Amino acid sequence: EPEVTQTPSHQVTQMGQEVILRCVPISNHLYFYWYRQILGQKVEFLVSFYNNEISEKSEIFDDQFSVERPDGSNFTLKIRSTKLEDSAMYFCASSEGVQWGAAGELFFGEGSRLTVL
Amino acid sequence: GESVGLHLPTLSVQEGDNSIINCAYSNSASDYFIWYKQESGKGPQFIIDIRSNMDKRQGQRVTVLLNKTVKHLSLQIAATQPGDSAVYFCAENIEGTYKYIFGTGTRLKVLA
Repeated sequence: EPEVTQTPSHQVTQMGQEVILRCVPISNHLYFYWYRQILGQKVEFLVSFYNNEISEKSEIFDDQFSVERPDGSNFTLKIRSTKLEDSAMYFCASSEGVQWGAAGELFFGEGSRLTVL
Repeated sequence: GESVGLHLPTLSVQEGDNSIINCAYSNSASDYFIWYKQESGKGPQFIIDIRSNMDKRQGQRVTVLLNKTVKHLSLQIAATQPGDSAVYFCAENIEGTYKYIFGTGTRLKVLA
């Protein structure tokens, strides 16, 4: 069964350092997402990406964050200068999209745990 | 694995009993809903979905009920098994957007 894959599974970084989290969405999917989950809290939307541009972003997704689809398979989340409060589990997701407007079922990866010291 | 939902509401059920997990969603413009299961240290896993033009949908051992009048969603799991132990989230998709908003989650504990 096709799946979303994420790397690294765990990254430890110093505050102020740049981090890039990588994702390979399911190959025929058109919509890509990043969500995060701080320990003990709910899953929070960060950004959606379609047709090589950001479709929507949350207030969490400030200028320190960026996303990119550098080639036909990878989808990356970059945090330019990490803060302690960026420590969380980051989930990539993808969906096919459906004709009636909603993006359809999200398929999630296993997540990348980011620890900022 | 990580301990998700330290302050989540918890539902404890005996193995073999039916479970009902509830969710109040926030936006009357939401038109598509998904229930996800999240096991410790893993990503959310799709269980079942429902569109706003339906009020009930059944899958294998699971049923989702949607009450748009009171903005309420429930997940019923029949004959709950130990493997059902996890945190369950509802997610709503606001019509015309790609954004999914997740609820706070409920931890289901299945007692042997």
